[in-house]
Amino acid sequence: DVKVTQSSRYLVKRTGEKVFLECVQDMDHENMFWYRQDPGLGLRLIYFSYDVKMKEKGDIPEGYSVSREKKERFSLILESASTNQTSMYLCASSRPGNPYEQYFGPGTRLTVT
Amino acid sequence: AQSVTQPDIHITVSEGASLELRCNYSYGATPYLFWYVQSPGQGLQLLLKYFSGDTLVQGIKGFEAEFKRSQSSFNLRKPSVHWSDAAEYFCAVGVTGGGNKLTFGTGTQLKVEL
Repeated sequence: DVKVTQSSRYLVKRTGEKVFLECVQDMDHENMFWYRQDPGLGLRLIYFSYDVKMKEKGDIPEGYSVSREKKERFSLILESASTNQTSMYLCASSRPGNPYEQYFGPGTRLTVT
Repeated sequence: AQSVTQPDIHITVSEGASLELRCNYSYGATPYLFWYVQSPGQGLQLLLKYFSGDTLVQGIKGFEAEFKRSQSSFNLRKPSVHWSDAAEYFCAVGVTGGGNKLTFGTGTQLKVEL
């Protein structure tokens, strides 16, 4: 089974802090994704990556950056956390031959106070 | 750009009753269609998918969905709901040339009454 893990299930940070959310997948998937999930808005794509050191903006990249130094790891960075970034963050990965079938991690619920 | 509409925010059904969750998409060609389920506190799990071929697709946990091109719909069904089916359900669409991206609907929260 594909396993996608996220470094924290719950995280509380203060406004202005730099926040790192880590995601690791163990199936050698080339594609990785970061979403945020908010009630009534569904999942919205923040950034995705096709390969190591490659990144593409999703629908809501403002206030976020990403890093992919190794194939299995995709990090989401909040340079200066703000209260409107309080949300559930979901990481996903997919195979190159089947890019739309995504496998999700359990999510990180981030609260910015 | 493609879009996905799930018109029902909340649905309540009795255990053992049938279920249909609605999903409509907007896209010029045939998209790739998915249903995901999210149990409380968990990530999303793929229930089923449609790429091409038979328009009635079977998924895990006894779910099925039917692609209707004329209605731009991909509704999820289950003949008899179990209490463990209580969760949030998301419809998603992927399009060719869309950069491997999925567009998700806003979700339908299913409550099952015992």
